Amino acid sequence: RKEVEQDPGPFNVPEGATVAFNCTYSNSASQSFFWYRQDCRKEPKLLMSVYSSGNEDGRFTAQLNRASQYISLLIRDSKLSDSATYLCVAQPSNTGKLIFGQGTTLQVKP
Amino acid sequence: NAGVTQTPKFQVLKTGQSMTLQCAQDMNHNSMYWYRQDPGMGLRLIYYSASEGTTDKGEVPNGYNVSRLNKREFSLRLESAAPSQTSVYFCASNKILGAGGEQYFGPGTRLTVT
Repeated sequence: RKEVEQDPGPFNVPEGATVAFNCTYSNSASQSFFWYRQDCRKEPKLLMSVYSSGNEDGRFTAQLNRASQYISLLIRDSKLSDSATYLCVAQPSNTGKLIFGQGTTLQVKP
Repeated sequence: NAGVTQTPKFQVLKTGQSMTLQCAQDMNHNSMYWYRQDPGMGLRLIYYSASEGTTDKGEVPNGYNVSRLNKREFSLRLESAAPSQTSVYFCASNKILGAGGEQYFGPGTRLTVT
């Protein structure tokens, strides 16, 4: 079983739609979580951190549920420019290294 | 300020050939990493260097060696390339291993082994 699992998609949504991605992690030692964004044939870049209390950055909301060991990312009012692959990332406190999920692909259509 | 740079961008090798992927960062970061990305597998850590003078194995180190040449540069060597090493290779860096989740990635090297 992968340490961080995501539904690879693709998720095809119209502009303006709200879309949510979920991710599960298996290592209970994971303390910190992040969402990265990767455009086609480009390098990954940090999108946002995920806090237990939930956090919002504009149209993006990230949530963490430690009891169920899952993380979510909600994108409201989708734009064409949101089309990308979203990588869920866990960071175990005992190693400090990042564990990447395989990514969820989002395609926003006009 | 170029961030993280990688050379080459593309490479085709024959089975058994060797090559070195170069990575450099100009952000004065202590920690550097090499990942490979394959379809359906996500990014997997090959080797990392927590600080200048140290290197450690990641999740998939077999078939690779690394050198932390100085604080700026971290190279990845394939001694005898195999088709299973066909992948996209990313170098990354951050200030200190474990301090926050932001790693800065280079643009990647697309390697094909025939």
